[in-house]
Amino acid sequence: GQNIDQPTEMTATEGAIVQINCTYQTSGFNGLFWYQQHAGEAPTFLSYNVLDGLEEKGRFSSFLSRSKGYSYLLLKELQMKDSASYLCASDLVGQNFVFGPGTRLSVLP
Amino acid sequence: NAGVTQTPKFQVLKTGQSMTLQCAQDMNHEYMSWYRQDPGMGLRLIHYSVGAGITDQGEVPNGYNVSRSTTEDFPLRLLSAAPSQTSVYFCASSYSSTSGRADTQYFGPGTRLTVL
Repeated sequence: GQNIDQPTEMTATEGAIVQINCTYQTSGFNGLFWYQQHAGEAPTFLSYNVLDGLEEKGRFSSFLSRSKGYSYLLLKELQMKDSASYLCASDLVGQNFVFGPGTRLSVLP
Repeated sequence: NAGVTQTPKFQVLKTGQSMTLQCAQDMNHEYMSWYRQDPGMGLRLIHYSVGAGITDQGEVPNGYNVSRSTTEDFPLRLLSAAPSQTSVYFCASSYSSTSGRADTQYFGPGTRLTVL
């Protein structure tokens, strides 16, 4: 199957910048999703990258390198409410989404 | 607009019991899917459907059945519950299947199932 890797846990300070990395297998790759999931809640959509490069959306940005099988989610000006799990998921041509294990981010005051 | 709804929110079963997890969406989405989420393993696809009358297996289908008689509803049946099926179950839907351009999946609130 397709493997997606992310760090299990990260910690950062309120107001700081944090980068969450995601690596995936490139075979059959179409695009990459990022979702945010607060504890006990459903995942909610953050971004979808198909083309190489950085896409900015407010405090959150997502980067994709198709040739390297690599993506990251960049969170700026961290707030306490950003404490959550961040899931990357690859969209495979003719197949279904494959989710990574998720990165649990803790934002400390 | 309710989005994706799931019932029940919590359920406790004994080993061997059967039950159906309900999922409904009011967005006229073609694609619906069921995932289970376990600690450290992320979301794993159980079954999915690309339209009414069409279902297929995902990564972990054993012990589960689905049907899609209408566009709106996609129930998940546990035939004979086992402790290994203790998990959080999410239903999701999107406008299109993943062949071609993918579309954002919208998730229901989840069902927390414990099998004793």
